[in-house]
Amino acid sequence: AQTVTQSQPEMSVQEAETVTLSCTYDTSESDYYLFWYKQPPSRQMILVIRQEAYKQQNATENRFSVNFQKAAKSFSLKISDSQLGDAAMYFCAYRSRRNTGTASKLTFGTGTRLQVTL
Amino acid sequence: KAGVTQTPRYLIKTRGQQVTLSCSPISGHRSVSWYQQTPGQGLQFLFEYFSETQRNKGNFPGRFSGRQFSNSRSEMNVSTLELGDSALYLCASSFGQPTDTQYFGPGTRLTVL
Repeated sequence: AQTVTQSQPEMSVQEAETVTLSCTYDTSESDYYLFWYKQPPSRQMILVIRQEAYKQQNATENRFSVNFQKAAKSFSLKISDSQLGDAAMYFCAYRSRRNTGTASKLTFGTGTRLQVTL
Repeated sequence: KAGVTQTPRYLIKTRGQQVTLSCSPISGHRSVSWYQQTPGQGLQFLFEYFSETQRNKGNFPGRFSGRQFSNSRSEMNVSTLELGDSALYLCASSFGQPTDTQYFGPGTRLTVL
């Protein structure tokens, strides 16, 4: 079974600064997806970024980028130029890419609460 | 394009009752997955429906069940409610292929008294 670990329960960053959230995972599979989801106080889960394991290039989405280290099973999220609206709970998630029913299941980490201060 | 919608948004029930939650996926999406979110257990996968068939199931007791209709809308039912069922229930939809991203609804907050 796959597991996802987020070892930072809380992080704080000043507005306009950069912060990195950590995530490690364990799997015996070679083909999978990794995600970062953001959950603001409204509780709506919002996709931030997605990484395909077979791609060596790290995914980027505007101010959000990842550092994907497949051999180390590490998947960190970097937020640049932090904004007040970035304050939320961030979840790292894993999903298999196999073409079976199990591919639909997302396995989540426990989350990191990000505070953004002025 | 409208997002995933869930109804009701809030629900209060008492122990022993049953409850039905509804999820309407994004237009064109055929897969609906359900997750339970609690402070103690975090986010856990309940089950997934695709084309009206349960395709995947998490490790929850039989009190938790679901179904999907021909228009891809899904319902989740919890019978004989327990205090521990108090949670945020999230549904997510996608086209249903392993390459697809799942998009989440706003959730239903269930409180069991």
